Parts: sequence; structure tokens; C-alpha cells
Amino acid sequence: DAKTTQPPSMDCAEGRAANLPCNHSTISGNEYVYWYRQIHSQGPQYIIHGLKNNETNEMASLIITEDRKSSTLILPHATLRDTAVYYCIVRVENAGNMLTFGGGTRLMVKP
Amino acid sequence: DVKVTQSSRYLVKRTGEKVFLECVQDMDHENMFWYRQDPGLGLRLIYFSYDVKMKEKGDIPEGYSVSREKKERFSLILESASTNQTSMYLCASSFWGSGPASTDTQYFGPGTRLTVL
Repeated sequence: DAKTTQPPSMDCAEGRAANLPCNHSTISGNEYVYWYRQIHSQGPQYIIHGLKNNETNEMASLIITEDRKSSTLILPHATLRDTAVYYCIVRVENAGNMLTFGGGTRLMVKP
Repeated sequence: DVKVTQSSRYLVKRTGEKVFLECVQDMDHENMFWYRQDPGLGLRLIYFSYDVKMKEKGDIPEGYSVSREKKERFSLILESASTNQTSMYLCASSFWGSGPASTDTQYFGPGTRLTVL
């Protein structure tokens, strides 16, 4: 699996968009970008994933650059409940089903 | 919604005790996983299972065993608990099939924080 780099922490004002970056410059053509988050004292939660097209669901949007070397997770209207550690993972589909989480970005949403 | 439940949120055991952690999922998922999460070490896979009665070792299986007698239930067993097994234990499940929406979207339970004294 390709390595990812994320800032260790970010702050965001409640109601504003939270933009979380992820660098994955060694990503290969068949690797997907996945985002999970973990709220304190809870299990990780799947958010969104994509290959090369931008994706949107009820939780977030995922913007992947054209060269696929970086991506941004967007929470359009952050709430206090979005305070969590966000993990960006790059991996091949069906690659043994083992998830490896790195350090992630600790997002603090402030009133 | 997929629901993955774990038998306890918090558990305190003594060194040498046999410990059972239970995980149940209600979405007919083929795959089930046990991870532990420790500060600075991220999520590490202990064991996983692709089918009933089937198990595969993950990255750190030493000191643990698992049981999958029914599709919806995956148990993690600490045969003789030790203090270095104090950790947050997370169970997850997923479908087995083609396409990114299936095998790689793992759904996690709330976790069990185990303390071994």
C-alpha cells in the first residue's frame, strides 16, 4: 500500500467547511483513496472512497487531483460532532482486507 | 445501517485470566476482523476470518486465538491475559465480493477497552 502524509492537527470553526489534505505521491494506478474517521473512544467509521473521480456522499466530498498524488476530504458544514481523527488510506482493491491506519489528522471543530 | 456490536465497552481483568471478547454483526458479512489500537502504534490486525470456521493470522497473533462458529459472531480469546495486552480492541466486518464498495469498506464496532492488572 502507498504511504500517505497528513497534517497532525487542524482546527475548524463550527459551520464552516473543513478541508483535510492527504498526500499520496507514490500511489499506483490501481490503488484507491479511502477516508475513515475515529471519534474519541469509538471505533473507526468509513467516510468515503474514490479512484480518480471526485466523489460525494451524505457525509463528505472527496477531491482527488488529476495526477492522483493528493486528495482533500471536505466536510461542507463542520459540526462539533465532527471532531475526530481522520485517516487517509491508499490501497489496492481486495488487498487482503487489512486496514492499516497511520497517524491521521486530529480535527478540532470549535464553536 | 450495518451494526457491529461488541460485548463490553470496558473490561478489567487480572494477569493470567482467560478473557473472551465477543463481536456480532447483523449484515451477513463474510469477513470479520479483530484489531488492537494503541497510542502511537495505530491499528494493528490480530486475526481475521473470511468464512465460518476459517481464520487467518494478522500482524500480531501471539497471545491470542479466535473462534468463528457462526457467520455473525467472531470471538477473540486471550488464553492467559498479560499486562501488555491492555489496549483498545476493535472488531470490524465487511462483505467479500468484487468492487470497492464491498471488500474494502470495513464497518467497526465501538471497541472494548481492556485493562489487565
